[in-house]
Amino acid sequence: DSGVTQTPKHLITATGQRVTLRCSPRSGDLSVYWYQQSLDQGLQFLIQYYNGEERAKGNILERFSAQQFPDLHSELNLSSLELGDSALYFCASSVVAGGNEQYFGPGTRLTVT
Amino acid sequence: AQTVTQSQPEMSVQEAETVTLSCTYDTSENNYYLFWYKQPPSRQMILVIRQEAYKQQNATENRFSVNFQKAAKSFSLKISDSQLGDTAMYFCAFGRAQKLVFGQGTRLTINP
Repeated sequence: DSGVTQTPKHLITATGQRVTLRCSPRSGDLSVYWYQQSLDQGLQFLIQYYNGEERAKGNILERFSAQQFPDLHSELNLSSLELGDSALYFCASSVVAGGNEQYFGPGTRLTVT
Repeated sequence: AQTVTQSQPEMSVQEAETVTLSCTYDTSENNYYLFWYKQPPSRQMILVIRQEAYKQQNATENRFSVNFQKAAKSFSLKISDSQLGDTAMYFCAFGRAQKLVFGQGTRLTINP
């Protein structure tokens, strides 16, 4: 158990819908990262927050957004869902803003039908 | 942009054997981190080992060790005395600033 929690574990929804994925980092970690794992794209970095502020953006679609709240938990919002958004979404956390090892949560498996 | 390449899509060895997984990367940076993550069938991403680029000494964690060749941009993982529980996908990752860049993974199967 990494100490990073993610909810829900599984999510099944229809195209065009909007969903919110939630992540709580390890105690003491200020930085949260979101990754997408799909069969065709592999593991890709989406976005990073540090102590409530966005720090870096990767291959995140405009239909996706995220935020980190004062209690340091983070939410990833996915809207206008398409079939290709079906993937495993991971949250990871680390103590500092970059360069340190990241600890991953169990992931949320999103299926868009 | 950094890239990470794992040239072995699949590997299979017998229990108790030693196995080495290959990883090469491309970067113009001098300071960075390298990691190996394990993803078992449960899909959880588990950190196996970490190497700082400024350290010449290769990292070791119990049965897991790395061979870090900075000039060659090579970072291989050696698993000694392999166990059935080592069966998993293994991902090599490059870390610099805010994100990790992952390779495509090597599927390792340990046979009884």
